[in-house]
Amino acid sequence: DSGVTQTPKHLITATGQRVTLRCSPRSGDLSVYWYQQSLDQGLQFLIQYYNGEERAKGNILERFSAQQFPDLHSELNLSSLELGDSALYFCASSEQGGNTDTQYFGPGTRLTVL
Amino acid sequence: TQLLEQSPQFLSIQEGENLTVYCNSSSVFSSLQWYRQEPGEGPVLLVTVVTGGEVKKLKRLTFQFGDARKDSSLHITAAQPGDTGLYLCAGTYSGTYKYIFGTGTRLKVLA
Repeated sequence: DSGVTQTPKHLITATGQRVTLRCSPRSGDLSVYWYQQSLDQGLQFLIQYYNGEERAKGNILERFSAQQFPDLHSELNLSSLELGDSALYFCASSEQGGNTDTQYFGPGTRLTVL
Repeated sequence: TQLLEQSPQFLSIQEGENLTVYCNSSSVFSSLQWYRQEPGEGPVLLVTVVTGGEVKKLKRLTFQFGDARKDSSLHITAAQPGDTGLYLCAGTYSGTYKYIFGTGTRLKVLA
């Protein structure tokens, strides 16, 4: 158990819909990361937050948005969903968000878009 | 989509054999990490290397960062079934916090 929690574990929805994925970091960690993992694209870095502020942005689509709240939990919002958005979405957290920090990954949310 | 090249993509070996996994990029990394991921779970960090030429050992696993910080290798000695999993390298470029993950090496160790 990494100490990072993600909800829900599974999500099935239809194309065009909007969903919200939630992540609670390990106690004391200030930085949160979001990743997408699919069979054909591998593990893709989406975005990183540090203490409520966006720190780095990867290949995150404009239809996706995220935020980190004052209590440090984070949400990833996916809208106008397409079939290709079906994937495992991981959240990770680290103490300070530095490049050599250990990232602790949550168990993931499996999103299926029908 | 930018990914680090890992090779081999798949590897199936017998228990007790040695193996090496490679991670290559055309760009210089400020740091590089190796992860192992098991089915249905998130990746777990194995090691972080930051200095060119650096070698780190973790029991039967030896990690090396290339002198030019563009490549890395993971060597497993006397592989065991418990080593089975997806091995991922990940790096960050100088001046950025963006993580680039490798294409992955899926290892299966047969008893």
